[in-house]
Amino acid sequence: DSGVTQTPKHLITATGQRVTLRCSPRSGDLSVYWYQQSLDQGLQFLIQYYNGEERAKGNILERFSAQQFPDLHSELNLSSLELGDSALYFCASSANRGFGYTFGSGTRLTVV
Amino acid sequence: GQQLNQSPQSMFIQEGEDVSMNCTSSSIFNTWLWYKQDPGEGPVLLIALYKAGELTSNGRLTAQFGITRKDSFLNISASIPSDVGIYFCAGLNYGGSQGNLIFGKGTKLSVKP
Repeated sequence: DSGVTQTPKHLITATGQRVTLRCSPRSGDLSVYWYQQSLDQGLQFLIQYYNGEERAKGNILERFSAQQFPDLHSELNLSSLELGDSALYFCASSANRGFGYTFGSGTRLTVV
Repeated sequence: GQQLNQSPQSMFIQEGEDVSMNCTSSSIFNTWLWYKQDPGEGPVLLIALYKAGELTSNGRLTAQFGITRKDSFLNISASIPSDVGIYFCAGLNYGGSQGNLIFGKGTKLSVKP
């Protein structure tokens, strides 16, 4: 157990729908990062939050949004889902800049 | 944006063999990290390198932070079946539109049939 908790583990939904993925960072970590991993692809950075504020943005689609709450958990909202959004979505957390990130075990999203 | 070129893309290992993989970048990084990902799991940090020229070991794994700060390699000695998986290099910088941690596309290690 890495200490980063992601729910749900699996999600199957239809095109056009909206889903919310949840992440609880390791205790004490202020930064949360979201990554997307498509089949046979590397990890694509989506967005970072630090202590409730958006800190950095990657290749995140406008249909996707995220937030980090006062208790530091984060949610990634994916709307108007398309087949191509099917992927593993990982959340990671870190305490300070310059240190490695700790990843959760991911949410596998399947859009049918 | 910053890109990491990781090679080889895939390789087959026989138990007991040594394995090498590397990562290069067109720009410098402050930190290099190596992760391993097993199927259906998140990446797990293996080694972190913080200084140019640094050579660090973790059991049978050895990694180096290149002097130019634009490359890193990972060696696995005397491989065992549980070494199978996908290995990712990652470069860490502060700021930038791509976020702090940039990943290579991975090296997939499989067992020789």
